[in-house]
Amino acid sequence: GQQVMQIPQYQHVQEGEDFTTYCNSSTTLSNIQWYKQRPGGHPVFLIQLVKSGEVKKQKRLTFQFGEAKKNSSLHITATQTTDVGTYFCAGRGGGGADGLTFGKGTHLIIQP
Amino acid sequence: DTGVSQNPRHKITKRGQNVTFRCDPISEHNRLYWYRQTLGQGPEFLTYFQNEAQLEKSRLLSDRFSAERPKGSFSTLEIQRTEQGDSAMYLCASSATGTGRGPLHFGNGTRLTVT
Repeated sequence: GQQVMQIPQYQHVQEGEDFTTYCNSSTTLSNIQWYKQRPGGHPVFLIQLVKSGEVKKQKRLTFQFGEAKKNSSLHITATQTTDVGTYFCAGRGGGGADGLTFGKGTHLIIQP
Repeated sequence: DTGVSQNPRHKITKRGQNVTFRCDPISEHNRLYWYRQTLGQGPEFLTYFQNEAQLEKSRLLSDRFSAERPKGSFSTLEIQRTEQGDSAMYLCASSATGTGRGPLHFGNGTRLTVT
């Protein structure tokens, strides 16, 4: 079945440094979504990418969907303490299955 | 919009007992999903409904698990003969069909502990 892998599993950064997490799927995706989960909270939707090569920005966050629609990345510029949490990518396969497959997430830890 | 509501927030049960969780989705959403999440892992897909129809179930979903959405509104997830390995956070999410395969709105989850 479809597998979604994320690296790194953990990332420690100093406040103000940049952060990137990478997501790779074993199969071609129809779309990919990104979620953020704060400690003790539930996943909260950030963005959805649909088109091959698509790039979207939300303030300091930049999301990219690969040309082959099998990988994606999230880049945060100049991290702030409010960015702490776990970032998940979640993909939908192109075969009609509707259940999103989540990666294991990247835990972002920020040192002030 | 009051968000997705899940009850109870916590459930502690002894191995072998049955448990049932409830999810009330956002009222105008007709898609409803159940996920399970263990510590340090991403949410794992269990099953999904469109209105009252259960359209997809994970191959990982044991026969001890059953979900219903009888009137296309709230949903229940029942686990029979619970095992310690069932301990996890059970997350419900809903989405609207009008936006196609759009974002999921998650509830706060039900944390199950099987002793």
